[in-house]
Amino acid sequence: DAGITQSPRHKVTETGTPVTLRCHQTENHRYMYWYRQDPGHGLRLIHYSYGVKDTDKGEVSDGYSVSRSKTEDFLLTLESATSSQTSVYFCASGTGKLKGPYEQYFGPGTRLTVT
Amino acid sequence: GENVEQHPSTLSVQEGDSAVIKCTYSDSASNYFPWYKQELGKRPQLIIDIRSNVGEKKDQRIAVTLNKTAKHFSLHITETQPEDSAVYFCAADDMRFGAGTRLTVKP
Repeated sequence: DAGITQSPRHKVTETGTPVTLRCHQTENHRYMYWYRQDPGHGLRLIHYSYGVKDTDKGEVSDGYSVSRSKTEDFLLTLESATSSQTSVYFCASGTGKLKGPYEQYFGPGTRLTVT
Repeated sequence: GENVEQHPSTLSVQEGDSAVIKCTYSDSASNYFPWYKQELGKRPQLIIDIRSNVGEKKDQRIAVTLNKTAKHFSLHITETQPEDSAVYFCAADDMRFGAGTRLTVKP
């Protein structure tokens, strides 16, 4: 569990404000992912990264952007938070398809509330 | 893109009974099928996985079976215990997850 961390763990923000969530991994994993978890929807992919400065969209990417300037850090930004973005956000890292297995290691999650 | 359907969404069993959770996927190119367990308030953690060149894999009380022709795979938990109560997620490859199954084991 100590290999991947998220900050902050909890955040309350107002509609329209920018928010950045940070994910940090010490496993030297090439792939990193951001998911949101909502009741009835399981884990839905927001964005993922397959290397430094290499990112791509997931199934629920609207309203989110990401950046990866170092192998160990993956940032998720909500440019202008909306109430529909209230959720629990999980970061994960893994070796990805180029070097199986594809197992992902999840961070502890960030509970974001947009009021 | 890949779709993963998971059933049932909730499952309640008596302690000692078996539990089965089923998933189907759409992309025939998928070749890695992990199962994650998420306890209340915790992060998802891998409990077992299977690759497409294997039909079944066991690890103590849990097993996973894969039918590539039918594009479905299942998680089997035998002799369930209260500590098996959690939400279980299947996935196909590394980015598409099922919606989850909330398993409750009644003592």
